[in-house]
Amino acid sequence: RKEVEQDPGPFNVPEGATVAFNCTYSNSASQSFFWYRQDCRKEPKLLMSVYSSGNEDGRFTAQLNRASQYISLLIRDSKLSDSATYLCVAGRDDKIIFGKGTRLHILP
Amino acid sequence: EPEVTQTPSHQVTQMGQEVILRCVPISNHLYFYWYRQILGQKVEFLVSFYNNEISEKSEIFDDQFSVERPDGSNFTLKIRSTKLEDSAMYFCASRRDSQGTQYFGPGTRLLVL
Repeated sequence: RKEVEQDPGPFNVPEGATVAFNCTYSNSASQSFFWYRQDCRKEPKLLMSVYSSGNEDGRFTAQLNRASQYISLLIRDSKLSDSATYLCVAGRDDKIIFGKGTRLHILP
Repeated sequence: EPEVTQTPSHQVTQMGQEVILRCVPISNHLYFYWYRQILGQKVEFLVSFYNNEISEKSEIFDDQFSVERPDGSNFTLKIRSTKLEDSAMYFCASRRDSQGTQYFGPGTRLLVL
């Protein structure tokens, strides 16, 4: 089983729609969780950390369910600039494990 | 805004040659990392470095790889004898403390011929 598993993509979504990404992690000892975005041929950039209580940053909402080992990201009112690959990340101690990512295309 | 920098941006080398990839982490950061991303695949953890020693490494980080912080600013990844399968984008990252966000550099694209 892969350590961090994400929805296969790509997602092709019209501008303004809501998009949901799901992710599961296999290591129950994981302590920290993140969503990164990666533009084509660029470095990963932190989108948001994910907390057990759930957290929101503008149009973005992240949720964590430790019992199910499941992480989600919701993007509301999607913009053309949201087109990117979204990477789910789980960390333990000093090591973080990336999922393969889900590519998102926002269509005008 | 401070950022992680990496040099060179691109490197082409012959199989069997040694390469050194360089990174300048953000100046007040204490934890340093190397990752690689083979084209079309996921970002893979290679090694973490703190207090002048390796704190964790993955199975990818074998005896062909080494890291060093030769002075107060640079953090290097050396691949002793490159193989074709070492061709990838190599990212350096740093963070200020053990709970902080990791900031990634722009990467070095390595091509082994």
